[in-house]
Amino acid sequence: GAVVSQHPSWVICKSGTSVKIECRSLDFQATTMFWYRQFPKQSLMLMATSNEGSKATYEQGVEKDKFLINHASLTLSTLTVTSAHPEDSSFYICSLTRGADTQYFGPGTRLTVL
Amino acid sequence: QQQVKQSPQSLIVQKGGISIINCAYENTAFDYFPWYQQFPGKGPALLIAIRPDVSEKKEGRFTISFNKSAKQFSLHIMDSQPGDSATYFCAASSGGSNYKLTFGKGTLLTVNP
Repeated sequence: GAVVSQHPSWVICKSGTSVKIECRSLDFQATTMFWYRQFPKQSLMLMATSNEGSKATYEQGVEKDKFLINHASLTLSTLTVTSAHPEDSSFYICSLTRGADTQYFGPGTRLTVL
Repeated sequence: QQQVKQSPQSLIVQKGGISIINCAYENTAFDYFPWYQQFPGKGPALLIAIRPDVSEKKEGRFTISFNKSAKQFSLHIMDSQPGDSATYFCAASSGGSNYKLTFGKGTLLTVNP
């Protein structure tokens, strides 16, 4: 498998502020990471694909200026939710690929925007 | 357009019974089919996965059955235990889509003691 960590595990912020979520690969170098959002009792929705050293690729309908992704190293990708609003409250989960197609997920970050 | 259809939405099984969750896909380019288990408040954990060159894969109490012609695959949990109570997601991906996973909507499994 692969060991993936996320920080923080949960965060509460005020509307209008920005929040940064970190995703780390602890046991190997990951050239590709994915960011997902999951609302309660729903499936995972892919937000973007993060490639080390290049711009992220966003899925249709995901605002790239609102959800900033930086994959500056082979072990770290960050997701910044800018000017967060209550509707951005969700469970954000990152994943990384090992062996081309096998994805391993992080523990997730619960974001609550007041 | 939902490309992976999962059923049932919820499932209740008695301890020791067999849990069966089914998925159907539309995109014939899919070539990797994993199952994930997710507990509340946690990230999904890879349970078992299959590729279309085999019709069945077994790991412990978990078995994937794959029917390429019908474009269907299923997860069987033998001797279900209360600790198996979780949400299960099937998914599919292809190399042509940069291995992005398309998920089913999930099945909430409850195993009664």
